[in-house]
Amino acid sequence: EVQLVESGGGLVQPGGSLRLSCAASGFTFTNYWMSWVRQAPGKGLEWVANLKEDGSEKYYVDSVKGRFTISRDNAKNSLYLQMNSLRAEDTAVYYCARDPGGDCYACLDYWGQGTLVTVSP
Amino acid sequence: DVVMTQSPLSLPVTLGQPASISCRSSQSLVYSDGNTYLSWFQQRPGQSPRRLIYRVSNRDSGVPDRFSGSGSGTDFTLKISRVEAEDVGVYYCMQGTHWPRTFGQGTKLEIK
Repeated sequence: EVQLVESGGGLVQPGGSLRLSCAASGFTFTNYWMSWVRQAPGKGLEWVANLKEDGSEKYYVDSVKGRFTISRDNAKNSLYLQMNSLRAEDTAVYYCARDPGGDCYACLDYWGQGTLVTVSP
Repeated sequence: DVVMTQSPLSLPVTLGQPASISCRSSQSLVYSDGNTYLSWFQQRPGQSPRRLIYRVSNRDSGVPDRFSGSGSGTDFTLKISRVEAEDVGVYYCMQGTHWPRTFGQGTKLEIK
């Protein structure tokens, strides 16, 4: 059974940093791109970033470029999102999702339960 | 960025009746490989999103056959043939053809 479990969310002050993790199991992690998607309270979904199987390609939405870094540790079947210079508008539930990549771009077929990040003084 | 425009944003439906959600993209979603990377997701209240449809019309396993996807180019539709109570939630389209990936605003389906 595919499982994605996010962790690392919490309350952080504006300008602060946070590192999110996503532990993957039930599939061959090295065969898949992985994505982060966020959802601000009461709002819609926003794709944030994704990362190729071997970490050689990564893409970001403009609003987080230069502040967020997506990475993975294939030995640990884990995906990460390092978030720096956080702003109030980054407040959201952050989901990690499996991304079939070249088989079906952005066809996010499995999602985690999400972790809440709150940026507030 | 490719803008994904859904309509309606609110969809009250009587149980057993059909429902239809439109998703229009600001650019063609046909990729250079000939495929069209348009997916539909359902988000029930308090839950994570769940994929229903990928590449326009391919239904995921476990998704009831009352859900269907269609369309081409810039114009796509999700149809529910007979709405059931468990279908309540927000539905999103998403494109994977262009960077950055973008979602529609969401359509909230409720029972009338």
